[in-house]
Amino acid sequence: AQSVTQPDIHITVSEGASLELRCNYSYGATPYLFWYVQSPGQGLQLLLKYFSGDTLVQGIKGFEAEFKRSQSSFNLRKPSVHWSDAAEYFCAVAPGVGFGNEKLTFGTGTRLTIIP
Amino acid sequence: DTGVSQNPRHKITKRGQNVTFRCDPISEHNRLYWYRQTLGQGPEFLTYFQNEAQLEKSRLLSDRFSAERPKGSFSTLEIQRTEQGDSAMYLCASSFLGEGTQYFGPGTRLLVL
Repeated sequence: AQSVTQPDIHITVSEGASLELRCNYSYGATPYLFWYVQSPGQGLQLLLKYFSGDTLVQGIKGFEAEFKRSQSSFNLRKPSVHWSDAAEYFCAVAPGVGFGNEKLTFGTGTRLTIIP
Repeated sequence: DTGVSQNPRHKITKRGQNVTFRCDPISEHNRLYWYRQTLGQGPEFLTYFQNEAQLEKSRLLSDRFSAERPKGSFSTLEIQRTEQGDSAMYLCASSFLGEGTQYFGPGTRLLVL
């Protein structure tokens, strides 16, 4: 069974500073990886996804993530954070796309706080 | 495209009562998923539909839970004889088979007193 680990429960970053959120996954086959963001009391918005190809993927709001198969990681980065980036961030993995159950398995999330 | 909508957004009920939530997916999306999210956790898969067929249910979905998707459009999730442990955010997502991206609704927050 697949699993996702987000080792950082809470991260505080100064506005304008760079950000990296860690995600490690466990899955026997080629993973399909996602990062979602959730504002308080809201649903989830997709930031970016990796299915195949270039291991550095660009997303919305200036975010990017890099897939490293050797480290089973899919870390999310942003060069300069804005106060509006404060939210909960979830990494997720799916067993496949295009067939069967594409259900997502999520990590426990990382809460991002931005200080002025 | 108005996105995935869920109603109600909030529900407070007493233990033992039945509740029903509705999800309207993005039109023409043939897959619909239900997830449950408790405080401080990521969403957990409950069940999913392809068109009107319910294809898989998680072990989290006890006999008190039932979901339907008549005519392959909107879906309902009913919880019978609610328990305090059912308090959570219930999220619905839809996708088009093969596209791989699930689009989430705003969720229904349930509080069982």
